[in-house]
Amino acid sequence: EDQVTQSPEALRLQEGESSSLNCSYTVSGLRGLFWYRQDPGKGPEFLFTLYSAGEEKEKERLKATLTKKESFLHITAPKPEDSATYLCAVQETDSWGKLQFGAGTQVVVTP
Amino acid sequence: NAGVTQTPKFRVLKTGQSMTLLCAQDMNHEYMYWYRQDPGMGLRLIHYSVGEGTTAKGEVPDGYNVSRLKKQNFLLGLESAAPSQTSVYFCASRDRQNTEAFFGQGTRLTVV
Repeated sequence: EDQVTQSPEALRLQEGESSSLNCSYTVSGLRGLFWYRQDPGKGPEFLFTLYSAGEEKEKERLKATLTKKESFLHITAPKPEDSATYLCAVQETDSWGKLQFGAGTQVVVTP
Repeated sequence: NAGVTQTPKFRVLKTGQSMTLLCAQDMNHEYMYWYRQDPGMGLRLIHYSVGEGTTAKGEVPDGYNVSRLKKQNFLLGLESAAPSQTSVYFCASRDRQNTEAFFGQGTRLTVV
């Protein structure tokens, strides 16, 4: 059965303390892997799309990487404004854009 | 350019009542989706549409109906609400070419 698993469920960081979030997935054919950020009471906000193993994308303090079985979201020198829930989702080939989401990792960055 | 707008933002229903959630997008997107988000679980797909006049079932469609009479609007209906439908509902849209989906701000629904 296709599934997406994120770890850890929650992460508490000191400002400046770098860390990584994991997203492991099993799908029959990957069209794309997505990272979204979600703030409390808001809808998911798009961060990155990764399409093939070895691909990397960066945005400010965030860097996403992809292998054949998992993706990592690296947060470098985080700031309190990076506090959010980070969602991973996969889209299978020929799926009309349907996304399968993991449960998310809640990140809290303290000053 | 408002993106994806959901109406209402909050609603409390009594068991057995009906309601319709409205999703409107102004990006001329072909594809639209309804997801629900529950604590400790990922967003789960309820129904989706790949064009005006077409709809299809997602992962958790029971108890819900949808309609896409206009390209820009996607309606989610609950005919007889149940406490198990207490959740936060998100609408999303994307165009045919790009893979990025845009989400609305959500509707928090409580069924008592």
